[in-house]
Amino acid sequence: DAKTTQPPSMDCAEGRAANLPCNHSTISGNEYVYWYRQIHSQGPQYIIHGLKNNETNEMASLIITEDRKSSTLILPHATLRDTAVYYCIVDGNNRLAFGKGNQVVVIP
Amino acid sequence: GAVVSQHPSRVICKSGTSVKIECRSLDFQATTMFWYRQFPKQSLMLMATSNEGSKATYEQGVEKDKFLINHASLTLSTLTVTSAHPEDSSFYICSARDTGQPQHFGDGTRLSIL
Repeated sequence: DAKTTQPPSMDCAEGRAANLPCNHSTISGNEYVYWYRQIHSQGPQYIIHGLKNNETNEMASLIITEDRKSSTLILPHATLRDTAVYYCIVDGNNRLAFGKGNQVVVIP
Repeated sequence: GAVVSQHPSRVICKSGTSVKIECRSLDFQATTMFWYRQFPKQSLMLMATSNEGSKATYEQGVEKDKFLINHASLTLSTLTVTSAHPEDSSFYICSARDTGQPQHFGDGTRLSIL
């Protein structure tokens, strides 16, 4: 059963911030939120993960709501190379269950 | 950091052949490695999990005698598809993680069985 809900697709403008939503209303207290992306014909790339605090690294920021039932991945300045399928995954034991993801297309 | 190398990237072989795929963690110790399979236009499906020095744990529906997994060292795991048939054609992807760290993935192996 899918533990997360993402839009199937979205377009983002190049150079703008891209905000990717994810709902995970049944998340358990010990489960992390992971974000990966997969560019066509490649293996998934780790982006970021968090438990309850907001996180930021060189790729993106992760904003988790206080009730932890949803989160947003923010790509601060989208580029054409950010076009990919983005997966939001909730997991407590690092056995990642990939859903269908969000096909993000960055438009010039 | 956290680089996972997978080899070969593409294999084309005849039906009945056995194929070995290697997965290496280049700059960290992989206490756990995972093998996934991805069919066209579908998402990744976990096949098995292996801890170094232990037998792999297979997901339901994955034949352990057909997909042999060896994780003999902290940097290397292999997946052997035995007696491969056309229905085994798929994109096989490995991942590796150190204790307490997220999984990092290889670039996958596209297997085509003729």
